[in-house]
Parts: sequence; structure tokens; C-alpha cells
Amino acid sequence: QSALTQPASVSGSPGQSIIISCTGTSNDVGGYPYVSWYQQHPGKAPKLIIYDVSKRPSGVSNRFSGSKSAYTASLTISGLQAEDEADYHCSSYTSSNTWVFGGGTKLTVL
Amino acid sequence: QVQLVESGGGLVKPGGSLRLSCAASGFTFSDYFMSWIRQAPGKGLEWISYIGSSGTTIHYADSVKGRFTISRDNAKNSLFLQMNRLRAEDTAVYFCARDPPGQLADYWGLGTLVTVSS
Repeated sequence: QSALTQPASVSGSPGQSIIISCTGTSNDVGGYPYVSWYQQHPGKAPKLIIYDVSKRPSGVSNRFSGSKSAYTASLTISGLQAEDEADYHCSSYTSSNTWVFGGGTKLTVL
Repeated sequence: QVQLVESGGGLVKPGGSLRLSCAASGFTFSDYFMSWIRQAPGKGLEWISYIGSSGTTIHYADSVKGRFTISRDNAKNSLFLQMNRLRAEDTAVYFCARDPPGQLADYWGLGTLVTVSS
């Protein structure tokens, strides 16, 4: 149950787009369409922003989008806003019938 | 609206035990799988266990298997986590979360802090 691999940090300027990657193996990201992304502001509980690789829960901005290719899932945030500054976590279902998270990525809006 | 409220956290010595509870409201608790997820200070999220809607399906992360036990009481809309043989590395905020079919954690509680220290 090794954690998925995410970059420790990414940054972008307001209005730009950024991509956060989440790399796993054939036993998790590559093997199942069950990748989710969570946004977490400091001291707060995580919030689901993408599920099933690319679906958005009701109320989540369409500036957030998800995709997957082979063993890597990606979260794209377009039109960056100051309020997007937060930690982002990916998760995937695994072949062991468990779930695994990535290490988290800190997004800084410059 | 969906609400999840954890309780039971606190300071415990290494080797000790603690029982966390999660009170659920705003949805039909017995229809959903539920998970416990933790976050050590300054670290990422770690999924540690889920339980099926009837309580018969249960899985654990290797890091807690044999020490932690998840359970639920559907009549009381409550989720539990019995934590035994606690270690310093179990220090974290523990979140309970609702799991829709085929998904992990669409709603989260605010978490309860567990500190394992002598």
C-alpha cells in the first residue's frame, strides 16, 4: 500500500492554469476508474472536488477538471484564483480492496 | 444537510487504547459505507479503514491491521474506531467520512485529534 506520488508543491499566477499529477501503479490508478481529488485549506477538513477520475460534485467550480492516462491521474485548475491556494490530495481504489492517498500537493497562487 | 461529528480524541500513552466515535446525521446512515481517514501533523491524508453499510464488509490499511477495529451502530447512526496498542506514529487528526457507492469520502467530519505520547 505505497502512497501515490504527487509533487510536493506547484505554483501559478492568477488567471493561469496549473496541473497536479498523481502517479500510481497498475494496482491502483492504472487499474480502476476510481480516482478522487480533494482540496484542503489550512485547519479545515478536506473537500471532494473530483471523483471517478473526472466527475465534479454538484457545486464545484468547472475550473476544476480531472483526467487519467495509464498510471497517472491529473487535476487541472484553470483561471487560478487566490482562493484556490490550498493543499490538494489524490486518492485511488486499489487491488487490495483498500484506498490509497497521495502525499499531497501545496498550491501557491503567486 | 450531511453532518459528521467525531469525538473521543485526546492524549494517550504509547501502548494505550482509545475509542473514537462519529455521529452522523442528514442522510440515511445505514445506506452508506463509512471510512476513517487520518492526517498526521503536517503530513498528507492516510486512509485507514472502511466498513460496509451492514457492517459485514471491513478492510484496514496495513499500518493499523490487528490494532484498530472499525464498527458501526446503524440504529444510533454512529461509527466507531477502537484503537489499541497505540504508537507515537498514530498521532494524527482522525476524520470520519461517508463513502458513496464506488467512491471514497464525499463528506467529512471536522476531525478529532489523537496524540500518543508519554
